[in-house]
This record gives sequence, C-alpha cells and structure tokens, in this order.
Amino acid sequence: NTKITQSPRYLILGRANKSLECEQHLGHNAMYWYKQSAEKPPELMFLYNLKQLIRNETVPSRFIPECPDSSKLLLHISAVDPEDSAVYFCASSQAPGTPANTGQLYFGEGSKLTVL
Amino acid sequence: AQKVTQTQTSISVMEKTTVTMDCVYETQDSSYFLFWYKQTASGEIVFLIRQDSYKKENATVGHYSLNFQKPKSSIGLIITATQIEDSAVYFCAMRNSAGNKLTFGIGTRVLVRP
Repeated sequence: NTKITQSPRYLILGRANKSLECEQHLGHNAMYWYKQSAEKPPELMFLYNLKQLIRNETVPSRFIPECPDSSKLLLHISAVDPEDSAVYFCASSQAPGTPANTGQLYFGEGSKLTVL
Repeated sequence: AQKVTQTQTSISVMEKTTVTMDCVYETQDSSYFLFWYKQTASGEIVFLIRQDSYKKENATVGHYSLNFQKPKSSIGLIITATQIEDSAVYFCAMRNSAGNKLTFGIGTRVLVRP
C-alpha cells in the first residue's frame, strides 16, 4: 500500500520528543490517527475532517496532532510513557457527512513505537 | 454509544473450507454502516466488505460474504474456499451516523491450515 505512507516505520524512544508523519495520495479530506496496542483493536485518537480537529478526549495531552494540509498529518509526541508503546496508524477517507463518504477507511502501514 | 462485540477469539480451519465469524453490534442510530477489515501478519489493515443498514441484501465481494441479520443486530463474515493467505485477524467495525468514528470489535484470529 503506497497510497498512504507513514514515517518512521519503527521508533524506539526513551523519554524524548518525536513526530510521526503521514501523507495520503488518495485525494481524501479526512485523516485519522489510530492507536493499536498489542492484541487490541485500533482505537481512534484524532480526526481531521476538512482540517477541523475532532479529538478523543481520553488521549493524553502529550499527543498533539497537526494537519498542515489535507494530504498530510503529523503526530507530535512529547515525554513518552511506556503505555504509549503501540502501533500508530494513519488513515484517510472521504469527508464524513458528505455523499462521497462510504465510511471506508484506508490505512497506512503503521509506525511502531517502542518506549524503553 | 456504539459497541461492537466479537466473541470468537480464534478459529482454525482447513484450507479450502468455509469459515464463519460472528459479530454483534449496538447502536442508537437508525442508519449505520458495518464493515469487516483484515489485519495481516505484517500488520497491514485492509478493508474487505461493507453492509449498509438500509439494504436487505447481504453484501458479497469475491469469496467474502456477509450474513446480515438486522433484528438480531448481527453481521457475520463468511469466507468460502479459504486459502493460507486468509490467515489473519478479522475486525468487525461500525461507523456512527455522523460518519466521524469507526468502532472496532476486538478481532477474531483465523488460522487456515494446509
């Protein structure tokens, strides 16, 4: 799947700051960050719908999303915690609430974060 | 609030047979969308098939088909003529009416044996 690219693919951190990047080439205008912990389903962290942020209120404030344009999505992480070890998936879709939106998400390959 | 429940944690089948996975859901919405996604051993998450709640016909795509029983809030996935590469974790998911959240079930791990 080269339509949604994520970088880095693997990340090992101590208590440092880092950013994850995502770019989609599908012409979608909704982008998402999902967190998948081991043996768990993906869980929505953030959604940008037409560049408007909708946040999952359970996500710690050390996670800060950024959407510089409709095809790019960033996730800034500061002072990571061991519980943050997971795979972070970027996804995209047509904008929710529009006729073109089928609800189907397209996922990137994921960025695996390991916190030491 | 939406809820998606998959009670089968793992299923093992022989190659070329049929496997059926269960999924039940809860929602207050009158119109909703149900999905099945596959996560391969490499971690890739791939969309398989979708059922719109207002459609009575069961969706079918290739060797994937759905058993949609709306009165029971049930959306089963059926894979016929299974192949080794069908070994994966299968997630049932529901989209809310606002279309801005996809809620996943816990997943069912399928192993297809030669």
